[in-house]
Amino acid sequence: KQEVTQIPAALSVPEGENLVLNCSFTDSAIYNLQWFRQDPGKGLTSLLLIQSSQREQTSGRLNASLDKSSGRSTLYIAASQPGDSATYLCAVSGNMLTFGGGTRLMVKP
Amino acid sequence: EAGVTQSPTHLIKTRGQQATLRCSPISGHTSVYWYQQALGLGLQFLLWYDEGEERNRGNFPPRFSGRQFPNYSSELNVNALELEDSALYLCASSFGAGRTGEKLFFGSGTQLSVL
Repeated sequence: KQEVTQIPAALSVPEGENLVLNCSFTDSAIYNLQWFRQDPGKGLTSLLLIQSSQREQTSGRLNASLDKSSGRSTLYIAASQPGDSATYLCAVSGNMLTFGGGTRLMVKP
Repeated sequence: EAGVTQSPTHLIKTRGQQATLRCSPISGHTSVYWYQQALGLGLQFLLWYDEGEERNRGNFPPRFSGRQFPNYSSELNVNALELEDSALYLCASSFGAGRTGEKLFFGSGTQLSVL
C-alpha cells in the first residue's frame, strides 16, 4: 500500500525567503507525481505534474523535482510572497492518486 | 472552458438521513474521482468511475456509493449519515483510465455537515 509523507507539516517564513517542501513515498511504481495547492475550505489547484520518466518541472517561481528510486520529491518556492500562504499537497499516481498530509505554509509580510 | 463543478456548495443534514452530492467533469474527461477531506485529516480516496464503471474503491463502508451517468457526470450518495461523515467532499476529473498519468483537476467541493 502506497504511503505518502510530507515534511514539515507546517512552516512559517518571512516574505522573500526561498523554501523547500518535502514529499516521500514508499512505492516507486508510480505514473506521476503532482503538487497541489489548497486554500482553506476550497478545492485543489494543480501546480505541477512530473511524469515518472521526468526529473523536474518548473512553473514560474515553482520548481518540483522527482527522484523515483529514492521515493522523494521536493517543491522549491523562490522569493516567497504572502499570497503563497496555503496548504501544499503532493500526490502520487499509481492504481489511484494517494495524497500526503500536506504542508501548511504561512508567508508573513 | 468550464472546470469541474460540484453541487451543492454546502449541505446540512441530520444523522440518519441520506445525502446526494453531484459532480460535472471537465468536457472530454471520462474519469471522475471522489475524495473525502475531514477536518484535520488528509484527503481520503473514496471512489473512481470511468466510462460509467466503478474502477476502484477506497476503504469506506458500503453506505458510501455512487454512479456515473452517460454524460460522465457523477453522484456520490451517503446513506445513514453519521456525525463523522461531516467533511469536505472533493470531486476530480481526468481523461480516461486508458491514459495513465493524466493530470487531475478538482472542483471546489461540497461541505457536508451532519448534525
